[in-house]
Amino acid sequence: DTGVSQDPRHKITKRGQNVTFRCDPISEHNRLYWYRQTLGQGPEFLTYFQNEAQLEKSRLLSDRFSAERPKGSFSTLEIQRTEQGDSAMYLCASSLASGTDTQYFGPGTRLTVL
Amino acid sequence: AQTVTQSQPEMSVQEAETVTLSCTYDTSESNYYLFWYKQPPSRQMILVIRQEAYKQQNATENRFSVNFQKAAKSFSLKISDSQLGDTAMYFCAFMKHEGDKVIFGPGTSLSVIP
Repeated sequence: DTGVSQDPRHKITKRGQNVTFRCDPISEHNRLYWYRQTLGQGPEFLTYFQNEAQLEKSRLLSDRFSAERPKGSFSTLEIQRTEQGDSAMYLCASSLASGTDTQYFGPGTRLTVL
Repeated sequence: AQTVTQSQPEMSVQEAETVTLSCTYDTSESNYYLFWYKQPPSRQMILVIRQEAYKQQNATENRFSVNFQKAAKSFSLKISDSQLGDTAMYFCAFMKHEGDKVIFGPGTSLSVIP
Protein backbone atom coordinates (compact mmCIF):
# COMPACT_ATOMS: atom_id res chain seq x y z
CA ASP A 1 0.00 0.00 0.00
CA THR A 2 1.52 3.31 -1.03
CA GLY A 3 -0.96 5.60 0.72
CA VAL A 4 -0.34 7.96 3.63
CA SER A 5 0.27 6.03 6.83
CA GLN A 6 0.09 7.22 10.43
CA ASP A 7 1.27 5.67 13.65
CA PRO A 8 -0.12 4.98 16.16
CA ARG A 9 -3.75 4.73 15.14
CA HIS A 10 -4.93 5.23 18.72
CA LYS A 11 -3.26 6.79 21.72
CA ILE A 12 -4.61 7.09 25.24
CA THR A 13 -2.60 9.20 27.63
CA LYS A 14 -2.93 10.95 30.95
CA ARG A 15 -3.10 14.70 31.22
CA GLY A 16 0.35 16.21 31.44
CA GLN A 17 2.12 13.49 29.47
CA ASN A 18 3.91 14.06 26.17
CA VAL A 19 2.87 12.23 23.01
CA THR A 20 4.40 11.94 19.55
CA PHE A 21 2.71 10.91 16.34
CA ARG A 22 4.30 9.90 13.08
CA CYS A 23 3.16 10.40 9.50
CA ASP A 24 4.66 8.76 6.41
CA PRO A 25 3.49 10.51 3.25
CA ILE A 26 3.03 9.01 -0.17
CA SER A 27 6.46 8.41 -1.66
CA GLU A 28 7.84 11.46 -3.48
CA HIS A 29 5.12 13.78 -2.15
CA ASN A 30 7.01 16.87 -1.09
CA ARG A 31 4.15 18.60 0.72
CA LEU A 32 2.88 17.36 4.07
CA TYR A 33 0.04 18.75 6.17
CA TRP A 34 -1.26 18.17 9.69
CA TYR A 35 -4.91 18.74 10.58
CA ARG A 36 -6.92 18.22 13.75
CA GLN A 37 -10.50 16.95 13.71
CA THR A 38 -12.77 16.99 16.74
CA LEU A 39 -15.90 14.88 16.92
CA GLY A 40 -18.59 16.01 14.51
CA GLN A 41 -16.46 18.73 12.95
CA GLY A 42 -14.43 19.19 9.80
CA PRO A 43 -10.64 19.02 9.98
CA GLU A 44 -8.78 22.19 10.95
CA PHE A 45 -5.36 23.04 9.59
CA LEU A 46 -2.41 22.90 11.99
CA THR A 47 0.78 23.15 9.97
CA TYR A 48 2.36 22.48 6.59
CA PHE A 49 5.77 21.44 5.25
CA GLN A 50 7.28 21.65 1.83
CA ASN A 51 10.17 19.23 1.89
CA GLU A 52 11.81 19.83 5.29
CA ALA A 53 10.73 23.46 5.60
CA GLN A 54 7.78 24.29 7.84
CA LEU A 55 6.05 26.99 5.83
CA GLU A 56 2.92 27.78 7.83
CA LYS A 57 1.58 27.23 11.33
CA SER A 58 -1.97 27.82 12.49
CA ARG A 59 -2.77 29.84 15.59
CA LEU A 60 -4.26 26.54 16.83
CA LEU A 61 -0.71 25.25 17.16
CA SER A 62 0.18 26.44 20.64
CA ASP A 63 3.72 26.35 21.99
CA ARG A 64 2.99 22.88 23.41
CA PHE A 65 2.83 21.57 19.84
CA SER A 66 5.85 21.01 17.64
CA ALA A 67 6.16 19.39 14.25
CA GLU A 68 9.21 18.30 12.32
CA ARG A 69 10.06 16.82 8.98
CA PRO A 70 13.82 16.40 9.29
CA LYS A 71 14.67 14.81 5.97
CA GLY A 72 11.70 15.86 3.93
CA SER A 73 10.14 12.42 4.19
CA PHE A 74 8.22 11.38 7.32
CA SER A 75 6.97 13.92 9.85
CA THR A 76 6.36 13.88 13.59
CA LEU A 77 3.89 15.89 15.64
CA GLU A 78 4.63 16.18 19.34
CA ILE A 79 2.27 17.48 21.99
CA GLN A 80 3.84 18.34 25.33
CA ARG A 81 1.95 18.49 28.63
CA THR A 82 -1.25 17.18 27.06
CA GLU A 83 -4.59 18.63 28.11
CA GLN A 84 -8.06 17.14 27.83
CA GLY A 85 -8.84 19.66 25.10
CA ASP A 86 -6.17 18.03 22.94
CA SER A 87 -8.36 14.95 22.54
CA ALA A 88 -9.07 14.71 18.82
CA MET A 89 -8.21 12.91 15.60
CA TYR A 90 -4.92 14.11 14.16
CA LEU A 91 -4.85 13.75 10.39
CA CYS A 92 -1.89 13.88 8.07
CA ALA A 93 -2.12 14.57 4.35
CA SER A 94 0.41 14.78 1.56
CA SER A 95 0.49 16.17 -1.94
CA LEU A 96 2.82 16.55 -4.89
CA ALA A 97 3.83 20.09 -5.78
CA SER A 98 2.86 19.70 -9.40
CA GLY A 99 -0.06 18.34 -11.31
CA THR A 100 -3.38 18.36 -9.51
CA ASP A 101 -1.86 19.00 -6.08
CA THR A 102 -4.67 17.02 -4.47
CA GLN A 103 -4.14 16.28 -0.78
CA TYR A 104 -4.36 12.60 0.16
CA PHE A 105 -5.20 11.82 3.76
CA GLY A 106 -3.98 9.16 6.13
CA PRO A 107 -6.21 7.19 8.52
CA GLY A 108 -5.45 9.51 11.42
CA THR A 109 -4.28 9.09 15.01
CA ARG A 110 -7.05 9.29 17.59
CA LEU A 111 -5.78 10.86 20.81
CA THR A 112 -7.67 10.53 24.08
CA VAL A 113 -6.38 12.51 27.04
CA LEU A 114 -7.72 11.30 30.38
CA ALA B 1 -10.62 34.83 5.67
CA GLN B 2 -12.24 32.06 3.73
CA THR B 3 -15.17 30.17 5.23
CA VAL B 4 -17.15 27.13 4.12
CA THR B 5 -20.74 26.50 5.19
CA GLN B 6 -22.78 23.32 4.93
CA SER B 7 -26.32 23.97 6.09
CA GLN B 8 -27.47 20.34 6.18
CA PRO B 9 -26.00 18.52 9.20
CA GLU B 10 -27.77 15.28 8.30
CA MET B 11 -29.46 13.87 5.23
CA SER B 12 -30.86 10.53 4.15
CA VAL B 13 -31.69 9.03 0.78
CA GLN B 14 -33.19 5.80 -0.44
CA GLU B 15 -30.88 3.42 -2.24
CA ALA B 16 -30.82 4.09 -6.00
CA GLU B 17 -32.24 7.59 -5.56
CA THR B 18 -30.51 10.93 -6.14
CA VAL B 19 -29.45 13.34 -3.40
CA THR B 20 -27.91 16.80 -3.45
CA LEU B 21 -25.68 18.16 -0.69
CA SER B 22 -25.35 21.93 -0.37
CA CYS B 23 -22.27 24.04 0.22
CA THR B 24 -21.59 27.75 0.17
CA TYR B 25 -18.30 29.50 0.72
CA ASP B 26 -16.94 32.98 1.13
CA THR B 27 -13.81 34.29 -0.48
CA SER B 28 -12.45 37.36 -2.19
CA GLU B 29 -10.18 35.29 -4.42
CA SER B 30 -10.96 34.89 -8.11
CA ASN B 31 -9.04 31.67 -8.64
CA TYR B 32 -9.27 28.83 -6.16
CA TYR B 33 -10.14 25.15 -5.81
CA LEU B 34 -13.17 23.43 -4.35
CA PHE B 35 -13.48 19.84 -3.20
CA TRP B 36 -15.89 17.31 -1.82
CA TYR B 37 -14.30 14.78 0.52
CA LYS B 38 -15.99 11.66 1.88
CA GLN B 39 -15.23 10.19 5.31
CA PRO B 40 -16.94 6.82 5.89
CA PRO B 41 -17.51 5.74 9.50
CA SER B 42 -14.16 4.96 11.14
CA ARG B 43 -12.37 5.17 7.80
CA GLN B 44 -10.10 7.71 6.24
CA MET B 45 -10.96 10.79 4.22
CA ILE B 46 -11.00 10.32 0.47
CA LEU B 47 -11.44 12.83 -2.33
CA VAL B 48 -14.73 12.56 -4.21
CA ILE B 49 -14.47 15.39 -6.69
CA ARG B 50 -12.48 18.54 -7.41
CA GLN B 51 -13.34 21.78 -9.22
CA GLU B 52 -11.05 24.60 -10.35
CA ALA B 53 -12.80 27.96 -10.10
CA TYR B 54 -11.51 29.14 -13.46
CA LYS B 55 -13.27 26.26 -15.21
CA GLN B 56 -16.87 26.94 -16.08
CA GLN B 57 -17.68 23.30 -16.77
CA ASN B 58 -18.97 21.40 -13.76
CA ALA B 59 -16.81 18.47 -12.68
CA THR B 60 -18.18 14.94 -12.82
CA GLU B 61 -16.84 11.63 -11.50
CA ASN B 62 -19.06 8.69 -12.38
CA ARG B 63 -22.17 9.00 -10.15
CA PHE B 64 -20.91 12.22 -8.54
CA SER B 65 -21.33 15.66 -10.10
CA VAL B 66 -21.22 19.22 -8.88
CA ASN B 67 -23.19 22.36 -9.56
CA PHE B 68 -20.66 25.17 -9.31
CA GLN B 69 -22.17 28.65 -9.24
CA LYS B 70 -19.22 31.02 -8.91
CA ALA B 71 -21.19 34.24 -8.63
CA ALA B 72 -23.39 32.78 -5.91
CA LYS B 73 -20.38 31.09 -4.25
CA SER B 74 -22.27 27.82 -4.23
CA PHE B 75 -20.86 24.33 -4.77
CA SER B 76 -23.37 21.51 -4.40
CA LEU B 77 -22.72 17.79 -4.81
CA LYS B 78 -25.18 15.51 -6.55
CA ILE B 79 -24.98 11.78 -5.96
CA SER B 80 -26.95 9.71 -8.47
CA ASP B 81 -28.04 6.10 -8.02
CA SER B 82 -27.10 6.20 -4.31
CA GLN B 83 -25.45 3.09 -2.95
CA LEU B 84 -25.13 1.80 0.62
CA GLY B 85 -21.41 2.46 0.43
CA ASP B 86 -22.11 6.15 -0.03
CA THR B 87 -23.08 6.37 3.65
CA ALA B 88 -20.50 8.75 5.13
CA MET B 89 -19.72 12.26 6.28
CA TYR B 90 -19.26 14.56 3.32
CA PHE B 91 -17.10 17.63 3.67
CA CYS B 92 -17.07 20.55 1.29
CA ALA B 93 -13.65 22.17 1.19
CA PHE B 94 -11.83 25.20 -0.22
CA MET B 95 -8.22 25.76 -1.19
CA LYS B 96 -6.96 29.23 -2.13
CA HIS B 97 -4.12 28.07 -4.36
CA GLU B 98 -2.07 24.99 -5.01
CA GLY B 99 -0.03 24.00 -2.01
CA ASP B 100 -2.20 25.95 0.40
CA LYS B 101 -4.09 24.48 3.33
CA VAL B 102 -7.59 23.11 2.82
CA ILE B 103 -10.45 24.78 4.68
CA PHE B 104 -13.26 22.37 5.49
CA GLY B 105 -16.93 22.89 6.15
CA PRO B 106 -18.63 21.28 9.17
CA GLY B 107 -19.82 18.30 7.14
CA THR B 108 -23.08 16.62 6.18
CA SER B 109 -23.81 13.14 7.46
CA LEU B 110 -25.44 11.15 4.65
CA SER B 111 -27.25 7.90 5.29
CA VAL B 112 -28.30 5.69 2.40
CA ILE B 113 -31.32 3.63 3.37
CA PRO B 114 -31.87 0.21 1.81
